Amino acid sequence: DAGITQSPRHKVTETGTPVTLRCHQTENHRYMYWYRQDPGHGLRLIHYSYGVKDTDKGEVSDGYSVSRSKTEDFLLTLESATSSQTSVYFCAISGNRGLNTEAFFGQGTRLTVV
Amino acid sequence: DQQVKQNSPSLSVQEGRISILNCDYTNSMFDYFLWYKKYPAEGPTFLISISSIKDKNEDGRFTVFLNKSAKHLSLHIVPSQPGDSAVYFCAASKSGDNNDMRFGAGTRLTVKP
Repeated sequence: DAGITQSPRHKVTETGTPVTLRCHQTENHRYMYWYRQDPGHGLRLIHYSYGVKDTDKGEVSDGYSVSRSKTEDFLLTLESATSSQTSVYFCAISGNRGLNTEAFFGQGTRLTVV
Repeated sequence: DQQVKQNSPSLSVQEGRISILNCDYTNSMFDYFLWYKKYPAEGPTFLISISSIKDKNEDGRFTVFLNKSAKHLSLHIVPSQPGDSAVYFCAASKSGDNNDMRFGAGTRLTVKP
């Protein structure tokens, strides 16, 4: 299994509070991604990173920010959580070709905003 | 907009028979397609992929077929096994935009013993 660890695995938070999810990899892969999975939508890309301090927006980036200060860590922050951000969040990594190759996913973080 | 569609939310087949999972896409710029499998409480795992220059790719029991004119791909699993029971996601991306992969909503496959 690819070395990807997401933390926390589960979190319940209140509306309006900030939340940070962490993704840690031990594979030294260049690309890292954050997806959310919702019923009827599959997985949708929130943000991705193509190197340290290099990030870009994905399909559903509103309300989210990311940071990558080290190759191995990619943080996803919800500045002020809303109920619509209740979801399962997956981190993924891939090599130098980006996503036109297989990606490896973490086990997911289930976030509930109440 | 849902650029990748899996119109069957679920599929049930008998062990040993063929499972056929379907996927349609709307963006003709997509040129690379992948299938991922997902078990409960786990992340998706890569299963098989196909480039638009091919119309078939085979890996053991798994074969993916691509029909570019119909913008349709399918995953065949033969023979199906109970351990294949999972949610299968179809995904597509386009050259030059490797980081914008679009996923379908998934099909839950149940293989009955």
